Amino acid sequence: DTAVSQTPKYLVTQMGNDKSIKCEQNLGHDTMYWYKQDSKKFLKIMFSYNNKELIINETVPNRFSPKSPDKAHLNLHINSLELGDSAVYFCASSDGTGSYNEQFFGPGTRLTVL
Amino acid sequence: SQQGEEDPQALSIQEGENATMNCSYKTSINNLQWYRQNSGRGLVHLILIRSNEREKHSGRLRVTLDTSKKSSSLLITASRAADTASYFCATDPTGNQFYFGTGTSLTVIP
Repeated sequence: DTAVSQTPKYLVTQMGNDKSIKCEQNLGHDTMYWYKQDSKKFLKIMFSYNNKELIINETVPNRFSPKSPDKAHLNLHINSLELGDSAVYFCASSDGTGSYNEQFFGPGTRLTVL
Repeated sequence: SQQGEEDPQALSIQEGENATMNCSYKTSINNLQWYRQNSGRGLVHLILIRSNEREKHSGRLRVTLDTSKKSSSLLITASRAADTASYFCATDPTGNQFYFGTGTSLTVIP
């Protein structure tokens, strides 16, 4: 059983398009995250939700909009895609919001904007 | 910036040797975690060390933390080819979220 799953695994699209990435966790965790990993492997947190409520919203363009329909799902919608959005996006979950909690990562979605 | 910075950026060793990678950070922390990322995969948690701990072990892993120097090290003993991966430290200056660095890329040559 996959603990944290993401779809799609690869996403190739044209500049200006709108796309979504879906994430689901079956660990019963109440906290979920979106991270962006650039080509230099720098991993940056974008958003965090706890029990469907947004608790972390780093400096991210408002073209990025997360949505959490329930605590097992956290989707990421991106409007008007730009070349600089090309990266690997990781979803993660943890049991609680404290920094002593281990985060479980999904396999990543490689987004390529042409 | 608030993230930890791993050093070296890349490390290549022979199988059986020990690998040491370091993490430095800028602000006080509550906890520090180390993660591994195999090529094309998500990160996997390795070990957490709290700010009041100086050393922790898990199997072939040994982590140290020196809060006075704001640094941590990860030692992998008797390395194996399967240890080839990128290793990240994650620090929590705010207490409720982690900031990652760019990682150390470890290659273990069989």
